[in-house]
Amino acid sequence: QQQVKQSPQSLIVQKGGISIINCAYENTAFDYFPWYQQFPGKGPALLIAIRPDVSEKKEGRFTISFNKSAKQFSLHIMDSQPGDSATYFCAASSDYKLSFGAGTTVTVRA
Amino acid sequence: EAGVAQSPRYKIIEKRQSVAFWCNPISGHATLYWYQQILGQGPKLLIQFQNNGVVDDSQLPKDRFSAERLKGVDSTLKIQPAKLEDSAVYLCASSPRAGGTGELFFGEGSRLTVL
Repeated sequence: QQQVKQSPQSLIVQKGGISIINCAYENTAFDYFPWYQQFPGKGPALLIAIRPDVSEKKEGRFTISFNKSAKQFSLHIMDSQPGDSATYFCAASSDYKLSFGAGTTVTVRA
Repeated sequence: EAGVAQSPRYKIIEKRQSVAFWCNPISGHATLYWYQQILGQGPKLLIQFQNNGVVDDSQLPKDRFSAERLKGVDSTLKIQPAKLEDSAVYLCASSPRAGGTGELFFGEGSRLTVL
């Protein structure tokens, strides 16, 4: 049973465009929401994370928006670059357990 | 700083055979995780160690999977006997503190193909 639902499964964006990935959860005990980036043949690496007392967090071109009442959070990649082509996983943590979404493969076309 | 080391990177076996994967976490990291990542899916936690002890193994298929962490450092994950559905990438991760409230550092994974 997937505790974090992620969409879309894949997306294609032009260079300079905005990529948006959405995640939803049910467990209100989740208290930490990281996003991981994974390149082919590599392990996931932490990209950015947010806690539920904050509605938005920005790091460079990457922004997390968090809606606690809707139990949804999203990742926005601004000015997408070919080097951003990767698979992105949202995740959520409670009781020191981290649950991952199914992943979104982002392809940035030059 | 050296990252999480895993070996072997690739392994192909016949069903019902056994296989073992090894992980060396980042020095000083108390928490070690084994995740299973099936193609097209997110990583699924198999087992979590805090130093030598098991914190969570609720999703580990204990009839065929086993794991140990030696002296609170290296860890091995064993599958015996393997099934076709065990084909996946096995990711090891470590963290300086317990659980998902901090960053997990992943290795590059061990890709298992069961024929």
